[in-house]
Amino acid sequence: SQTIHQWPATLVQPVGSPLSLECTVEGTSNPNLYWYRQAAGRGLQLLFYSVGIGQISSEVPQNLSASRPQDRQFILSSKKLLLSDSGFYLCAWRRRGAGNTIYFGEGSWLTVV
Amino acid sequence: GQQLNQSPQSMFIQEGEDVSMNCTSSSIFNTWLWYKQDPGEGPVLLIALYKAGELTSNGRLTAQFGITRKDSFLNISASIPSDVGIYFCAGRKDIQGAQKLVFGQGTRLTINP
Repeated sequence: SQTIHQWPATLVQPVGSPLSLECTVEGTSNPNLYWYRQAAGRGLQLLFYSVGIGQISSEVPQNLSASRPQDRQFILSSKKLLLSDSGFYLCAWRRRGAGNTIYFGEGSWLTVV
Repeated sequence: GQQLNQSPQSMFIQEGEDVSMNCTSSSIFNTWLWYKQDPGEGPVLLIALYKAGELTSNGRLTAQFGITRKDSFLNISASIPSDVGIYFCAGRKDIQGAQKLVFGQGTRLTINP
């Protein structure tokens, strides 16, 4: 069966510090990978998606970046965090092919102070 | 980013009551999905709808894909305490080989015993 893991689960970082959130998927190959952000009390906003190694598409201009160094690894990064980067970050994956749905990781709480 | 209009934003009900929530959009989607999110966790898929007019059940949950492909509803019958959480609708679009979800703002369900 397929599983998705992301870490760390919670993170408190000062403004201006770097960020690295990591996500890995097991039990599948060549998945589509996604990073979403959920601000408090709001829906999920798509930040980045990737259809393959080294292929990253950004949905909204922001202070964050994403990378996919390996087929089943997706990393969300920032060089200098802003207060507005606080939120709940979710990694997600989808198997290639029509009709397949997206499945989410456990999420990572980021608080920028 | 684009979001769906999900309502109501919150519901306070008695245990045993039925629940109904819906999502509307100005855009057409190929798939409608309903997720449930427990506090501090990632969303979990409840029901996926793939065809306009489709009515699908999952236990006490029933969801329908609107005939216009611009809306969907979710019903929960005979609510129980574990139904508490935030419910999200999501519409799926296929763009450049990547399946992207657009989410509603969520419906927060609170149940009084």
